[in-house]
Amino acid sequence: AQKITQTQPGMFVQEKEAVTLDCTYDTSDPSYGLFWYKQPSSGEMIFLIYQGSYDQQNATEGRYSLNFQKARKSANLVISASQLGDSAMYFCAMREGPGGTGNQFYFGTGTSLTVIP
Amino acid sequence: GAGVSQSPSNKVTEKGKDVELRCDPISGHTALYWYRQSLGQGLEFLIYFQGNSAPDKSGLPSDRFSAERTGGSVSTLTIQRTQQEDSAVYLCASSRPAGGSPLHFGNGTRLTVT
Repeated sequence: AQKITQTQPGMFVQEKEAVTLDCTYDTSDPSYGLFWYKQPSSGEMIFLIYQGSYDQQNATEGRYSLNFQKARKSANLVISASQLGDSAMYFCAMREGPGGTGNQFYFGTGTSLTVIP
Repeated sequence: GAGVSQSPSNKVTEKGKDVELRCDPISGHTALYWYRQSLGQGLEFLIYFQGNSAPDKSGLPSDRFSAERTGGSVSTLTIQRTQQEDSAVYLCASSRPAGGSPLHFGNGTRLTVT
């Protein structure tokens, strides 16, 4: 089974609107960390936001927030007030172990987001 | 330096030649990863180093691929007898082992095998 599933290969959003990028994960470890990365066309991987499995609150970083639904094993990324510079590939990732200390980071296949002016 | 440094940024080689890709992680980061990303695809895990522990080589696609990490810092990924299917961007990343520490990626080496 896939550890990380991103079911939206491509998404479009109007500038200034909010958008949700889906991510579901599969683990039997009670402790894990969830991460989102942005990869613009230039290729660099940019860390956006982190959620620990025991965190009580949903993580937020500026315009990024993580809608963490533990029972559903989903960790959707919400981008508010989309900007043209948000157009990029977005990857969800998981690291198992206490707070996310295991060996591997498991990455999803990514969602390509296009922001329309 | 402030970030993960990879060299070369681009490498074109002929099929059958050996190549070496270098990664200099962030100072103090004991965990180091190599990933491969083919055009328009996701990240494929290759190998992981953590401190002085034996590396996790479970992602290496064949015995033509090897990697080492000297002194717990700089890492070299070697591909022997390159094939055209090895063409991809090779990304290196480092992190602290503490919980919640994200991966910090280099800008990658774009390898083209002709």
